[in-house]
Amino acid sequence: AQSVTQLGSHVSVSEGALVLLRCNYSSSVPPYLFWYVQYPNQGLQLLLKYTTGATLVKGINGFEAEFKKSETSFHLTKPSAHMSDAAEYFCAVSGSNTGKLIFGQGTTLQVKP
Amino acid sequence: DGGITQSPKYLFRKEGQNVTLSCEQNLNHDAMYWYRQDPGQGLRLIYYSQIVNDFQKGDIAEGYSVSREKKESFPLTVTSAQKNPTAFYLCSTGGYNEQFFGPGTRLTVL
Repeated sequence: AQSVTQLGSHVSVSEGALVLLRCNYSSSVPPYLFWYVQYPNQGLQLLLKYTTGATLVKGINGFEAEFKKSETSFHLTKPSAHMSDAAEYFCAVSGSNTGKLIFGQGTTLQVKP
Repeated sequence: DGGITQSPKYLFRKEGQNVTLSCEQNLNHDAMYWYRQDPGQGLRLIYYSQIVNDFQKGDIAEGYSVSREKKESFPLTVTSAQKNPTAFYLCSTGGYNEQFFGPGTRLTVL
């Protein structure tokens, strides 16, 4: 069985500060890991993904994440927050050929001026 | 212009009514999925289809039905048996290494 836990339902940072959103997963098979962003009343947009290969993956809008198998983590970071980063972020895992995604509960990022 | 669309954007349902949410894609993917989103619960899988004329239940299929008569289309019907249908519904398409999401339909029960 697979599961995803996002630590912290709400994270608040100041503009220009480091963004760190935490994600831990469990999977009995090699996982594919994803971070999605959602703006109010919109669909999900892919930020970045880990499938195989390099464990540090870079995504859009300056975000990156590192796959750490020993810690079963896939935390999302951005060196300097921008007001436009305020949104809800979802971590997800897929480990089967069905393509089904298992999502975490989501983290709402607030960016203060 | 390739993509995935959902309609309507907002939908209101009276008690006891069935309503159907549309999902169309022209990305040429075989698989399509329906998720339900509630505040603080992430997204949960309702149904998915890996090929035309075949579909499987997800984690919360009770009170929902689907059909897959065409590769491009995967409509979701919310039946009167679904006791708490107010939610945001998202459709996606893709494979195990990436999924593309539609803009969503917000369903409200009056």
